[in-house]
Amino acid sequence: GENVEQHPSTLSVQEGDSAVIKCTYSDSASNYFPWYKQELGKRPQLIIDIRSNVGEKKDQRIAVTLNKTAKHFSLHITETQPEDSAVYFCAATKAAGNKLTFGGGTRVLVKP
Amino acid sequence: GAVVSQHPSWVICKSGTSVKIECRSLDFQATTMFWYRQFPKQSLMLMATSNEGSKATYEQGVEKDKFLINHASLTLSTLTVTSAHPEDSSFYICSVLVLTGGPGNTIYFGEGSWLTVV
Repeated sequence: GENVEQHPSTLSVQEGDSAVIKCTYSDSASNYFPWYKQELGKRPQLIIDIRSNVGEKKDQRIAVTLNKTAKHFSLHITETQPEDSAVYFCAATKAAGNKLTFGGGTRVLVKP
Repeated sequence: GAVVSQHPSWVICKSGTSVKIECRSLDFQATTMFWYRQFPKQSLMLMATSNEGSKATYEQGVEKDKFLINHASLTLSTLTVTSAHPEDSSFYICSVLVLTGGPGNTIYFGEGSWLTVV
């Protein structure tokens, strides 16, 4: 089955700096890669996703890149703000199954 | 995105009793829902795929007789933790599969249910 590795597990950045989280996946058939933000005790919120037919997607301060050949994808947050502090999860799935396999999560702390 | 409601938000039960958690898709008819559990400071682990009108598909290592899933309608799936024990204490989250076409579909999560077994 699919295996998703996520790094780093914790990330501390100064407000205004950029944050980058990287994930690798094992199943070359995976073609949908969402990113979720989870605040303590709350549900994961979809913040951005990318499908295998594109290499990059951007939404305001958030961008995601996908390298299918290398089987890795990354989340980029620019101009970080304290409210960006949360746990971020990457995930991967194949369209047929639609079962999400999650990475281990990255705890992001933005220091004011 | 889809609106997914879970109930209860938190529950405390005695060891040996059973607890039912409901997951409702409020604005979308969901043929497929997923149930996850999340231990503190850990990632989400898929427990089972709930299919409307048929038996759930359980992930390896998940006891289907302990975690009963029922998906009797397009808007409701339930997870019943039977004979709960303290090690079952966790955050249980459901999600709804929204078909959007193209490669991959979108998945939205319920608010989650905190279960504490004492």
